[in-house]
Amino acid sequence: DAKTTQPNSMESNEEEPVHLPCNHSTISGTDYIHWYRQLPSQGPEYVIHGLTSNVNNRMASLAIAEDRKSSTLILHRATLRDAAVYYCILLRGGGSNYKLTFGKGTLLTVNP
Amino acid sequence: NAGVMQNPRHLVRRRGQEARLRCSPMKGHSHVYWYRQLPEEGLKFMVYLQKENIIDESGMPKERFSAEFPKEGPSILRIQQVVRGDSAAYFCASSPGTGFNTEAFFGQGTRLTVV
Repeated sequence: DAKTTQPNSMESNEEEPVHLPCNHSTISGTDYIHWYRQLPSQGPEYVIHGLTSNVNNRMASLAIAEDRKSSTLILHRATLRDAAVYYCILLRGGGSNYKLTFGKGTLLTVNP
Repeated sequence: NAGVMQNPRHLVRRRGQEARLRCSPMKGHSHVYWYRQLPEEGLKFMVYLQKENIIDESGMPKERFSAEFPKEGPSILRIQQVVRGDSAAYFCASSPGTGFNTEAFFGQGTRLTVV
């Protein structure tokens, strides 16, 4: 399975944009890029996912590089509630495409 | 529309006892997954069930652990003869289907402490 690489931690200030990077250089053509986050003492929460085109929803935006070897989760205005561990996960078309493989993720700290 | 409900939220068991963790999926969801998060580690897939069927239990320890999702009622993760190493947060998730285009909804988890 293709692997993702994320920075261990990042810091941001409240109300500023945050760009969370993810490298997935061995991504295959049928791999979807999913992002989940886990707030302290909570279960993971779906954030966004995409295949090739950039995606926007009420929570965030996902920018996918043209070669798909990297992607960036964008929080447009960070709030204290966005402090969490963010996971970038690849889900392959076909086979075990229900199994989420969580790595260590990026711990985002938001300063007031 | 209630989310995924797990109970209890916290469970304390003595070594050798049994632990039963319950998960009620979101309404209309027939796919249930269990994940375990050991202290200071990431979440690991344990098992995937549909109603009355275990589809994939590749992440489940071979002994003492079992899971079911009966036709009626919640999914149950059962751990027999618990040991200290079973202390972890156990998360249940549900989805309306499977696939790379599907979002999984997670519960708040059950934190099991074995003393």
